[in-house]
Amino acid sequence: DADVTQTPRNRITKTGKRIMLECSQTKGHDRMYWYRQDPGLGLRLIYYSFDVKDINKGEISDGYSVSRQAQAKFSLSLESAIPNQTALYFCATRSLAGEQYFGPGTRLTVT
Amino acid sequence: QKEVEQDPGPLSVPEGAIVSLNCTYSNSAFQYFMWYRQYSRKGPELLMYTYSSGNKEDGRFTAQVDKSSKYISLFIRDSQPSDSATYLCAMSAVKTSGSRLTFGEGTQLTVNP
Repeated sequence: DADVTQTPRNRITKTGKRIMLECSQTKGHDRMYWYRQDPGLGLRLIYYSFDVKDINKGEISDGYSVSRQAQAKFSLSLESAIPNQTALYFCATRSLAGEQYFGPGTRLTVT
Repeated sequence: QKEVEQDPGPLSVPEGAIVSLNCTYSNSAFQYFMWYRQYSRKGPELLMYTYSSGNKEDGRFTAQVDKSSKYISLFIRDSQPSDSATYLCAMSAVKTSGSRLTFGEGTQLTVNP
């Protein structure tokens, strides 16, 4: 089984809709991250969490919110989706040694 | 100006060629350097992890860091079609997971049989 899983893998939604992307991990890492990946822009950090009570904004957090429900679960919400949030979204964990492990990604399309 | 610059390619080489992938950076505090490989429709996977300047070899892959020039490279020897992927460099100032990684844009590589 994959160490970092994401659901859904693909999602098409309309402008203005609320959407939640979920991430679960079995690696036992405290650190979890949400990134988006866009052509020409690479991976950009949206939010990160060092533990259940510690949530931090990344470089592009506007329009997004997160919830760390447990050590193993970290979800990303788009309160009111807009077309420029169309992207590939990755969840990741990071070990104490600094190695980062990514999930398979969620392809989100906002029409 | 981006903190990390990486030529996006695409780069196309014949099977068996030596491939050189490169990144430059501007933040002199970066000390930990990583290379990730990302296959189409998959998440990035860690390929190489190096500290400070020098070389690190793992099979057909060699990672090289030149901090004086703020330049890192990944060499792939005897390239195979299975090496076709996007390669992303990443770096951080501190080893612990409390530091944030800064990624390059990624270089798309195709190895032709």
